[in-house]
This record gives sequence, structure tokens and C-alpha cells, in this order.
Amino acid sequence: DAGVIQSPRHEVTEMGQEVTLRCKPISGHDYLFWYRQTMMRGLELLIYFNNNVPIDDSGMPEDRFSAKMPNASFSTLKIQPSEPRDSAVYFCASREIEDNTDTQYFGPGTRLTVL
Amino acid sequence: DAKTTQPPSMDCAEGRAANLPCNHSTISGNEYVYWYRQIHSQGPQYIIHGLKNNETNEMASLIITEDRKSSTLILPHATLRDTAVYYCIVRVGGSTLGRLYFGRGTQLTVWP
Repeated sequence: DAGVIQSPRHEVTEMGQEVTLRCKPISGHDYLFWYRQTMMRGLELLIYFNNNVPIDDSGMPEDRFSAKMPNASFSTLKIQPSEPRDSAVYFCASREIEDNTDTQYFGPGTRLTVL
Repeated sequence: DAKTTQPPSMDCAEGRAANLPCNHSTISGNEYVYWYRQIHSQGPQYIIHGLKNNETNEMASLIITEDRKSSTLILPHATLRDTAVYYCIVRVGGSTLGRLYFGRGTQLTVWP
């Protein structure tokens, strides 16, 4: 298995531009998570999905952020418009529902820089 | 908020055991203790978890005190590749899926 795949690995954009981050979870996993990591705030959960349905988006910072999961193999996190304070590493993780260890498998992350 | 307290940093000589402590004095009876680690520039990686009993797998051992208010992650023979930030997490909530709150963790540095 290739693990959780994220793209792009690095993104540099200018303030005000739209940014779309992509994630492909591990095949067969029913849960998908989006996290953000910064030096100031550490690793924060933004939103998670179960069977493609958003379950908890209380961590989404504001309306500029949106996430979708159109099918079991793909999710996007969109920021529109982007701001310099959105600069961070964004991680996607997935988990299978039958996994009693509650293990989350993380992707390599997307490093976003907003100028 | 994270429900755990960890030292910000530790170091260990290569080949020696690394013992990483974690305090979770407010842990509830149905909450598990999880350990993840994050090697620089990578996503977090699951290591081990436990409820009451000590646990061991191919990566590490987890020792949980009888009152469950603290635990220790043991890497029996630390290598340079074990240099990472180690997160002790108490799974919050009684549902099947609980949110994982990653605190600041412990930066473990293994030196030659």
C-alpha cells in the first residue's frame, strides 16, 4: 500500500489566491482527517470525515477554509482567499473503522507558504 | 486541550534505552493512552497504545502505572533514527472515534 498521498508537497502562493490541497487516503479506510501544524499552535485537527460525510468541522478556523470528500478515494482542503497566517504544514490522515487500535495513518504533509 | 504533560526535551545515547514519561492525572476510566512520534518533516506515526496493562510491540513498550495517572514509553535500544518528537495522547471521549489532541510532545535526541 502506498500510504496516504498528499499533493502538492510544497505550495507557495500570494495572499488572496485560492489554494487547494489534495489527499488520497489508504484504500479501505473509512475516516479521513485534516490537520494543520504550526510552530505557535502545534498540530491541530481541522475537520474529519466518516464515509465521506463531514462529522466534526469545529477546528476549521474560519469560513475561508472548506473541505470536501466527493468519494472514498479523494478529499480536498481549500483556502479562499489565502492569508499569510495560513502558512503551515497541512497533514491528511486516514483510519479504518474496524481498527481497534484507533490508529491514524498520516500523509507526508503539504507545506504551504502564503506570501 | 491536551490532557497530558510531557518534558519538552530529552536525550539518550545510541544503544541505550530511552524512557519517555507522561503525566495524565485526569484520565478517565475508559480513556486510552496513545503514543505517536513525528520525525522531522514527516507526518506523525503511531507507536503504541494501552488502557491498563503494559503493552509491547516491535517498536516500543508502554508502562502504565496502576493508578493510570502516568505512563512511560520505552525504546529499548534507541538508534539515531529514533530522534523525533514523541507525543503522549489521551483519547478524549467515549465514542468509538475520539479526537486526538497532540500537545507539544517531547523532543528526543539520540546521540552517537
